[in-house]
Amino acid sequence: AQSVTQLGSHVSVSEGALVLLRCNYSSSVPPYLFWYVQYPNQGLQLLLKYTSAATLVKGINGFEAEFKKSETSFHLTKPSAHMSDAAEYFCAVSYPPGNQFYFGTGTSLTVIP
Amino acid sequence: DGGITQSPKYLFRKEGQNVTLSCEQNLNHDAMYWYRQDPGQGLRLIYYSQIVNDFQKGDIAEGYSVSREKKESFPLTVTSAQKNPTAFYLCASRLAGGKEQFFGPGTRLTVL
Repeated sequence: AQSVTQLGSHVSVSEGALVLLRCNYSSSVPPYLFWYVQYPNQGLQLLLKYTSAATLVKGINGFEAEFKKSETSFHLTKPSAHMSDAAEYFCAVSYPPGNQFYFGTGTSLTVIP
Repeated sequence: DGGITQSPKYLFRKEGQNVTLSCEQNLNHDAMYWYRQDPGQGLRLIYYSQIVNDFQKGDIAEGYSVSREKKESFPLTVTSAQKNPTAFYLCASRLAGGKEQFFGPGTRLTVL
C-alpha cells in the first residue's frame, strides 16, 4: 500500500535558520509528490510539486524540495526561516491514472524569534 | 476570482441531526474531493467524484453521503450514523489531466 511518512510532527527553528521538513514515501512506482502549507483554520495551499521533470523543485515563499528516488524522499527546505513560515506542512503523493492523494500526518513548524 | 468556496465556515450540530456542508468551485474542474482532518491524523478521504453524477467512496465513507448533480457543486451530508463527526472538513478539486488538488477554506463542524 502506498504511504507517506513525515518524520517529526513538530519542528522548531530559530528565525533565520535552515528549515528542513522530512518526507518519505513507500512505493516502487515513481509518484507525483507535493508539499502543502496550512495556516490555522484555513485550507491547504500548494507550495510545490514534483511531476517527473526536474528533481529539484522550487516553490513559493522561498521553499524548495529535492526528489531522491534512491532514498524515496522529498524533503522540504528553506535557507532562512521567517516568522510567517510558522504553519502546518503536509507532504502528499499521488499515482496515475487516478491521481488519488495520500497525505502524511503533517509537521507543525514553529519559528522562534 | 476563481476558487473553491465552502460554507458555512463554522457549523454546530446536535447529536442525531443530519447536516450538509456546501462546496462550490468555479474553476471548471472535473474532479472534486472531500477530506476530513483530525489533529495528528492528516487528511483522510471521505468521497470523491471524477465526473458529474458519479462518485466513489474513500477510506472513511461510513456515515457520510454526497451528490454530484452539477459540475461545480459537491455537497457532503454528515448523517446521524457518523459516530464522531466533530472535525475540520476540506473540499478540493482537480482539473482533468492535472496533477495537483486545490483546496477550499474548510468547514469546522462541532457536534454539541
